[in-house]
Amino acid sequence: LAKTTQPISMDSYEGQEVNITCSHNNIATNDYITWYQQFPSQGPRFIIQGYKTKVTNEVASLFIPADRKSSTLSLPRVSLSDTAVYYCLVGDHGSSNTGKLIFGQGTTLQVKP
Amino acid sequence: EPEVTQTPSHQVTQMGQEVILRCVPISNHLYFYWYRQILGQKVEFLVSFYNNEISEKSEIFDDQFSVERPDGSNFTLKIRSTKLEDSAMYFCASSAKNTIYFGEGSWLTVV
Repeated sequence: LAKTTQPISMDSYEGQEVNITCSHNNIATNDYITWYQQFPSQGPRFIIQGYKTKVTNEVASLFIPADRKSSTLSLPRVSLSDTAVYYCLVGDHGSSNTGKLIFGQGTTLQVKP
Repeated sequence: EPEVTQTPSHQVTQMGQEVILRCVPISNHLYFYWYRQILGQKVEFLVSFYNNEISEKSEIFDDQFSVERPDGSNFTLKIRSTKLEDSAMYFCASSAKNTIYFGEGSWLTVV
């Protein structure tokens, strides 16, 4: 399982775009990159997942360069309710794997008014 | 949107008692997991379960813990002889292929 490194904390203001970058230098060929959001006393909530290039859904975009050694989660126009911990995880959760996720400390995003 | 549901949301138990935490995974998922998070700490993997057997477990998941899928829908975590240090939020999760979805958690307090 590839280790990930991400900033411990970030501050932003309402309406701004937030980009959180995660390093995963030892990512394996079969690994996917997944981002979760966690509010206090709640379970991690799936945000977005990708393998390469760019993935976009209704809440975020995920940018993955060609070497896949890093990824950037982009949250457009954040609001106060986006204040949470964001986790970047890398692994092969496919049917041949147990799907074990190794959580780090995550990035605590504080959105200010 | 389908979701993983967990009960109870909060349980207080006395040290030494047995606790069963229940989960209903997303209906077409085949892989099931338990994680826990002690207050202020990281989310930790406990166990993964597939095809009615444990596929991987962590060092935390010792003989005190067991999992079961008794009826094809529920997925349970049993903690025997609870200790103070078992106090944590326990998350059930499930997946079909590459994406793992978590429940809202069961907060266990051992007193």
